[in-house]
Amino acid sequence: SQQGEEDPQALSIQEGENATMNCSYKTSINNLQWYRQNSGRGLVHLILIRSNEREKHSGRLRVTLDTSKKSSSLLITASRAADTASYFCATVLIQGAQKLVFGQGTRLTINP
Amino acid sequence: DAGVIQSPRHEVTEMGQEVTLRCKLISGHNSLFWYRQTMMRGLELLIYFNNNVPIDDSGMPEDRFSAKMPNASFSTLKIQPSEPRDSAVYFCASSPPSGGNYNEQFFGPGTRLTVL
Repeated sequence: SQQGEEDPQALSIQEGENATMNCSYKTSINNLQWYRQNSGRGLVHLILIRSNEREKHSGRLRVTLDTSKKSSSLLITASRAADTASYFCATVLIQGAQKLVFGQGTRLTINP
Repeated sequence: DAGVIQSPRHEVTEMGQEVTLRCKLISGHNSLFWYRQTMMRGLELLIYFNNNVPIDDSGMPEDRFSAKMPNASFSTLKIQPSEPRDSAVYFCASSPPSGGNYNEQFFGPGTRLTVL
């Protein structure tokens, strides 16, 4: 089964609304990262949160990490049409060296 | 910096043919990752190198797949012979020296492989 599993699989909201995506994982991690993938393109790193951090901000992005629940959330505030993409969480396992384990992603659609 | 460079961007070949995908790392990066993405299986790590040495190849599907790093800035992923089920988008990504912090990965644009 997936180390990282995103929820929901697909999300459609109106421009200007906030979008929240969740990620759950199974084993202890060194850090958790969120990536965005536009259709037909490679993944782009958005933000990294370490296992000893609980919240992190970057522009309109807010990431939380709850290691007791083995879950993370990505909040995009004031969404824009350009935010339409797939979003993936990826975990770096404590024993996993540099290996990233990706979830299946959340497909986010921002309607103008 | 041009970012991670992959070639070709698209490859269409017939079953049984050899396919070679190429990747150039970002200057200064010392880790290289090959991924495969399909609708059914999502994004799968095939193999990764650190300082030109293969560290984990447990994701390589079978002996038909091989990857090399002939130098610090370049890698190839070879499929011989190719099969229709190998059709996917293949990404390579590179990462700078981590110093134990396990940095972000920088992805290339991918190679879309179609095996007929």
